[in-house]
Amino acid sequence: DAGVTQSPTHLIKTRGQQVTLRCSPISGHKSVSWYQQVLGQGPQFIFQYYEKEERGRGNFPDRFSARQFPNYSSELNVNALLLGDSALYLCASSLHRASQPRNTIYFGEGSWLTVV
Amino acid sequence: AQTVTQSQPEMSVQEAETVTLSCTYDTSENNYYLFWYKQPPSRQMILVIRQEAYKQQNATENRFSVNFQKAAKSFSLKISDSQLGDTAMYFCAFLNRDDKIIFGKGTRLHILP
Repeated sequence: DAGVTQSPTHLIKTRGQQVTLRCSPISGHKSVSWYQQVLGQGPQFIFQYYEKEERGRGNFPDRFSARQFPNYSSELNVNALLLGDSALYLCASSLHRASQPRNTIYFGEGSWLTVV
Repeated sequence: AQTVTQSQPEMSVQEAETVTLSCTYDTSENNYYLFWYKQPPSRQMILVIRQEAYKQQNATENRFSVNFQKAAKSFSLKISDSQLGDTAMYFCAFLNRDDKIIFGKGTRLHILP
């Protein structure tokens, strides 16, 4: 079975531009979460979607938005890019909501975003 | 605020030795999950071990084991018979009831031949 897949793997954008990152969860997984990992830091929670509804949002500005589609794949959008948005963006999927007992969370390999 | 603290930014140990990575956390919740994740240079986050807070027994996975002290809010990872492939960043993480995983800043572990 395929794991969590993310695209693109690397991209470079200019300040002020917009970017869309994509995530396909493991087949059958209904929960998708997004994390931002700045170089040298641990990942920071951005969003969680479960059954196509937003279930949680981290401390990120409104320039960050996301959605989950009927097939449970997800997109993360970032508008008006800043240099500080340069980071690895990780997607995680799980069968149930993350905090369900015995629910394993799987991470993708991430999308490297560089803003110049 | 819920926080995870890893006090060792970087560690080195000889191959085949045992190493312990420290982690403390802060929460007012009673039921939660704790994890250790490994992030090699490929950057994919790999689950090493998981501990449910309601279980008193420490989790083990082959060469990896934890020392979970709930009252002290401490969750250390012990790697026995360390191997070169264990070289990576290790993140301690806490999953709260809102489904957010809160990560520490990580410990960079070098296994020396």
